[in-house]
Amino acid sequence: LAKITQPISMDSYEGQEVNITCSHNNIATNDYITWYQQFPSQGPRFIIQGYKTKVTNEVASLFIPADRKSSTLSLPRVSLSDTAVYYCLVGPPASGGSYIPTFGRGTSLIVHP
Amino acid sequence: EPEVTQTPSHQVTQMGQEVILRCVPISNHLYFYWYRQILGQKVEFLVSFYNNEISEKSEIFDDQFSVERPDGSNFTLKIRSTKLEDSAMYFCASTSPRQGASEAFFGQGTRLTVV
Repeated sequence: LAKITQPISMDSYEGQEVNITCSHNNIATNDYITWYQQFPSQGPRFIIQGYKTKVTNEVASLFIPADRKSSTLSLPRVSLSDTAVYYCLVGPPASGGSYIPTFGRGTSLIVHP
Repeated sequence: EPEVTQTPSHQVTQMGQEVILRCVPISNHLYFYWYRQILGQKVEFLVSFYNNEISEKSEIFDDQFSVERPDGSNFTLKIRSTKLEDSAMYFCASTSPRQGASEAFFGQGTRLTVV
C-alpha cells in the first residue's frame, strides 16, 4: 500500500489560490490518484482524479509530475465554502476491479474572510 | 447527478440494542462499502461487498456487524448489540470499477448515537 503524506492543516484567504501537495512515494504503476473533499457531518465527495500530467475540471486542477511520487491539488480563488478536509487517495487501479478507497487524516483547509 | 441515499440520517439507540442502517447505492454500481467516522477521527473502512458477498473487511468489522443486500436496491449494515464506542457517522459508498477512472460515491451518512 502506498504511504500517503499530506499537510495536516492549511489556512488561506478568500480569493487566493490554494495548493495542497500530497506525497505517495511508492505508488503502483497501475494506480490513479484521487482527491476527495469532506464537509463536517457529510460524506466524502469526489473532486478530481488523474494518472499523470495535468487534469482540470470545473472545481480544481490536479498536477502530477512524471515520477508520480507526488500530486498537487490546486483550488483557484477559494471561498469560505471551500473550508473542508481534503483527502488524497491512491487508486483505483487503471485496470479496474476490486479497490478499497482508503482515507488518511487529510488536510484541513480553513478559508478566512 | 446520481446519489447514494442513506436512512435514517440520525439514530439514537440504547446500548445492547440492534440497529440496522440502510443504504440505496447507485443502481448500476457493482461494489458497495460501509465506512465509519468517529467524531474528529478519520474515515475508516469497515467492509466491501461484491457479487452478493463480502469481498473484504477490516479488523473493525467483527462478529457484531453484518451486511446484507436483501433485494436489488438496498444495502444494509446491522450492528447486533451496540456499544457506546459504536457511536459514529456511518457512510455507505458505491463504485462501478471499470478500466480507466472511477470514483466512489458516498451517502450523506447516518449519525448513530449509542446511549
